[in-house]
Amino acid sequence: LAKTTQPISMDSYEGQEVNITCSHNNIATNDYITWYQQFPSQGPRFIIQGYKTKVTNEVASLFIPADRKSSTLSLPRVSLSDTAVYYCLVGGKAAGNKLTFGGGTRVLVKP
Amino acid sequence: DAGVTQSPTHLIKTRGQHVTLRCSPISGHKSVSWYQQVLGQGPQFIFQYYEKEERGRGNFPDRFSARQFPNYSSELNVNALLLGDSALYLCASSFFSGASASNEQFFGPGTRLTVL
Repeated sequence: LAKTTQPISMDSYEGQEVNITCSHNNIATNDYITWYQQFPSQGPRFIIQGYKTKVTNEVASLFIPADRKSSTLSLPRVSLSDTAVYYCLVGGKAAGNKLTFGGGTRVLVKP
Repeated sequence: DAGVTQSPTHLIKTRGQHVTLRCSPISGHKSVSWYQQVLGQGPQFIFQYYEKEERGRGNFPDRFSARQFPNYSSELNVNALLLGDSALYLCASSFFSGASASNEQFFGPGTRLTVL
């Protein structure tokens, strides 16, 4: 699976937009990009998945440039409850259900 | 709808003991995966089971074993516990097997194992 690199931590304030960029230079043609969110002492929760361009759901947006070597998770108007660790993963059909997590980005939302 | 459930929530064992962790997937999900998460790190893949067969194994010693039952629930067993086995053990279920392009898995709350 392609290795991912993301910032260790980010601070933000309530109401701001948070953008977390993940680098995945060795992404394969069949790989998808997936983001998970994890609160302390809980299991990770699927946020969003995409292959190219832009994907948006009720929680976040995912921006993927044409070369797909990076992706940006955008959290609009964050609240205190968005404080969590966010993981960027890449993988495709060959990976099956094996998810490879990196260290994640610890996002702290301040009042 | 009930999510993925795991038991027990917390467990304290001593070195050399054996432990069994249990997981019930979301109804209709046939795939169960196990992950180990050491404090401050991301989850690490241990096993995946689909239709009661092992479909994937991570880089863990043979002290770790698992099985899946006809009702798709699963057990993770760890023998000869070491201090380093202290971690949060997560179970995740999904509808698909390795043929799917979707990486959406549904995680349980985990079992916190402490080895003294």
